[in-house]
Amino acid sequence: DQQVKQNSPSLSVQEGRISILNCDYTNSMFDYFLWYKKYPAEGPTFLISISSIKDKNEDGRFTVFLNKSAKHLSLHIVPSQPGDSAVYFCAASSAYSSASKIIFGSGTRLSIRP
Amino acid sequence: DTAVSQTPKYLVTQMGNDKSIKCEQNLGHDTMYWYKQDSKKFLKIMFSYNNKELIINETVPNRFSPKSPDKAHLNLHINSLELGDSAVYFCASSQLRLAGEPPNEQFFGPGTRLTVL
Repeated sequence: DQQVKQNSPSLSVQEGRISILNCDYTNSMFDYFLWYKKYPAEGPTFLISISSIKDKNEDGRFTVFLNKSAKHLSLHIVPSQPGDSAVYFCAASSAYSSASKIIFGSGTRLSIRP
Repeated sequence: DTAVSQTPKYLVTQMGNDKSIKCEQNLGHDTMYWYKQDSKKFLKIMFSYNNKELIINETVPNRFSPKSPDKAHLNLHINSLELGDSAVYFCASSQLRLAGEPPNEQFFGPGTRLTVL
């Protein structure tokens, strides 16, 4: 039972356009959501997060939107740059779960084409 | 000056062998984790230690035994390796999440690709 799902394994976007990565979750107890970015042969690195009390969080070119009623969040990258090509993991956490436990999705591989 | 380091980076071994993966962090964090990224690419938490004490223990075969000699190290020992253990294993660290607070950023090592033949 995968509680965090990223249904698109890959996405290709032209440089300069908007990249939209989607994530769905099933556990209504999740109260914090995170996006991690991973380059080949490296570990994931934290990108941006959002609390369940908000519906949007913005950090430079990156914006995360949360729709709690639909149990859906998305990461928008605009404008997309070649260095954004990576695997993006959506993750979720609950204050009621084991301390510091984060549930990750399977990732979406984003490719930015020139 | 790597923040979270793992050794070895690659490990190829035969079924039935026993192997260890080492992890060290120099960030001063008090919580460390082991994740397994399987063939379906999900990153699944296996264990978490806080100040050398086990705080998360997911449904993992008891052939896997974490060892934390101090809060900067969390090693993973695997007995009687099986084909299904082939995966990439990531170590991570963070400060402990306090009750009611958001989770702290986890810093990951580069991963260890384990191949069991």
